[in-house]
Amino acid sequence: GNSVTQMEGPVTLSEEAFLTINCTYTATGYPSLFWYVQYPGEGLQLLLKATKADDKGSNKGFEATYRKETTSFHLEKGSVQVSDSAVYFCALRPFGANNLFFGTGTRLTVIP
Amino acid sequence: DAGVIQSPRHEVTEMGQEVTLRCKPISGHNSLFWYRQTMMRGLELLIYFNNNVPIDDSGMPEDRFSAKMPNASFSTLKIQPSEPRDSAVYFCASSFNTGFRNTEAFFGQGTRLTVV
Repeated sequence: GNSVTQMEGPVTLSEEAFLTINCTYTATGYPSLFWYVQYPGEGLQLLLKATKADDKGSNKGFEATYRKETTSFHLEKGSVQVSDSAVYFCALRPFGANNLFFGTGTRLTVIP
Repeated sequence: DAGVIQSPRHEVTEMGQEVTLRCKPISGHNSLFWYRQTMMRGLELLIYFNNNVPIDDSGMPEDRFSAKMPNASFSTLKIQPSEPRDSAVYFCASSFNTGFRNTEAFFGQGTRLTVV
């Protein structure tokens, strides 16, 4: 079946710290992988995506690399800001399908 | 484009009442999804439509829940009768899917439902 497991939160970091949020997946075939971000009181927004193995998605200083050998798609940022405080969701879309499977979300709080 | 539009943003209702949530997808998108978000269960896919046809409703919790998509620009999720355990944030999302090319899903801002 298809599923996503991501790092439990909450995560609290100081401004300018390095961020890693782990995400691993189980899927048949070759899924597309996504990170979505949810700011307080808002819906989910796409942060970045990768559609095939070894692709790196990047946006707003965040990066994630599609690793087929470890079935992972870890989210990283070199220097977080207070404005990055949000809930981050890892998701997969099975090949040929258009529905998404989400992880449970990781709440990040960045303190000045 | 204004994005995915959901209404109402907040709904408070009494147990046993009927609740209807509304969604207008992005123009041109042909797939529509209803999700429920709770602290305990995270994001759950309830149902999704492709070209106005329900494709997978296996996530609909029980017969009290129903969803319709009468045309490409409008969908409703109805709960009748509502129960306190239905309290959650309900998200609608849309995307464009041809089978070979898919856009990412764009989410509305959600409807926060409280059943008392």
